[in-house]
Amino acid sequence: ETVMTQSPATLSVSPGERATLSCRASQSVSSDLAWYQQKPGLAPRLLIYGASTRATGIPARFSGSGSGTEFTLSISSLQSEDFAVYYCQQYNRWPRTFGQGTKVEIK
Amino acid sequence: QVQLQESGPGLVKPSQTLSLTCAVSGDSIRSDDYYWTWLRQHPVRGLEWIGYIHGSGNTYYNPSLMSRVLVSADTADNRFSLKLISVTAADTAVYYCAREPKYRRTPPEAFGVWGLGTLVTVSS
Repeated sequence: ETVMTQSPATLSVSPGERATLSCRASQSVSSDLAWYQQKPGLAPRLLIYGASTRATGIPARFSGSGSGTEFTLSISSLQSEDFAVYYCQQYNRWPRTFGQGTKVEIK
Repeated sequence: QVQLQESGPGLVKPSQTLSLTCAVSGDSIRSDDYYWTWLRQHPVRGLEWIGYIHGSGNTYYNPSLMSRVLVSADTADNRFSLKLISVTAADTAVYYCAREPKYRRTPPEAFGVWGLGTLVTVSS
């Protein structure tokens, strides 16, 4: 299976600052990469698909980039509601696989 | 608006069968456009894809669970179900149903719609 590795495990950021999260795939997944945000007690929420396309209703401060095996999620100016856990997921190969998550916490 | 809702027992004894149902509203599980999917989230091991059923009736499972899992559909009631046999404590997780498009022409790609999730604890 395709192993997804996220870094860092935890990112401490001050409100208003930029956050950059990384995701690496153990083999190429082309651009078939999604990012999700999850808050405690809730289901994951799709933010980005196709590596760089924002899902409906997702603010422009969220942006994704990359292809092949290296991907990045950027949050340009962190708002209070952005502190959460973020997961990457590949949907190029079966079984679908997720990264272990990056927790974005308030510095 | 598509909505998914999981239901089933919150406690299952070791060696027994875990059974969950996902009720779908706002779409038909007979649609050719989607994979109707089960996933789970372990406290430590994270998010795991379990398997899907397509509107054609085709299924596909995670090889790590293939020997113990069955996903089926009830088209009359527009719901699909998960059965996981011979459970152990390692199967304790929050279980989600979700929808994934089969074709790239049907955005959003990936898991755009999720149920709320249901916690299943395996314990005697």
